[in-house]
Amino acid sequence: QVQLQESGPGLVKPSQTLSLTCTVSGGSITRGSYFWTWIRQPAGKGLEWIGRIFISGDTNYNPSLKSRVTISVDTSKNQFSLRLTSVTAADTAVYYCARESVDMASHDYWGQGTLVTVSS
Amino acid sequence: DVQMTQSPASVSASVGDRVTITCRASQGISSWLAWFQQKPGKAPKLLIYDASSLQSGVPARFSGSGSGTDFTLTISSLQPEDFATYYCQQSSSFPVTFGQGTRLEMK
Repeated sequence: QVQLQESGPGLVKPSQTLSLTCTVSGGSITRGSYFWTWIRQPAGKGLEWIGRIFISGDTNYNPSLKSRVTISVDTSKNQFSLRLTSVTAADTAVYYCARESVDMASHDYWGQGTLVTVSS
Repeated sequence: DVQMTQSPASVSASVGDRVTITCRASQGISSWLAWFQQKPGKAPKLLIYDASSLQSGVPARFSGSGSGTDFTLTISSLQPEDFATYYCQQSSSFPVTFGQGTRLEMK
């Protein structure tokens, strides 16, 4: 059973960089046809797709965040990561990592989510 | 971006009821549509992909239909564990976008 777990600071100061890591267990991140994705959800609001990475290193980002986002993968640790620069209060949200199956074109496994608050 | 509009925003129903939620895309997305269920404090759970394919382990009372711009999620006989928020999601074009959610409440 594949499991994903987000980790990283729960509090980030405005203008600084948000960094999160997603650790994948129960299967190799290099096996199969999957995209590894980040999605966020502000409190009481809907879901926003941030971006994804394929194991080849190819990435796709939401244009609304593209100038500030980097997603990378570390196959040796079975992890992928999110960096979001120049954060503001509007970036406060629960951040989820998820696996997107190429076959299903949808997200079949999710982490539990981690709350990141941007505040001084 | 493809805008996904769900209706209704909220619905009240009772155990045993049949419930239908609608999702409309701002442009054609073929069958690149998924439905998720989210309970408070939990991650979304995939119910339906490719507009009408039931995800493994999801009860058969959930079904999806539609293609192009208009889609529906139907719960044939509501169970107590089905009260939650439901989201549609399109993956036809970037960025992937979600509907605003439909809150299913107990009457």
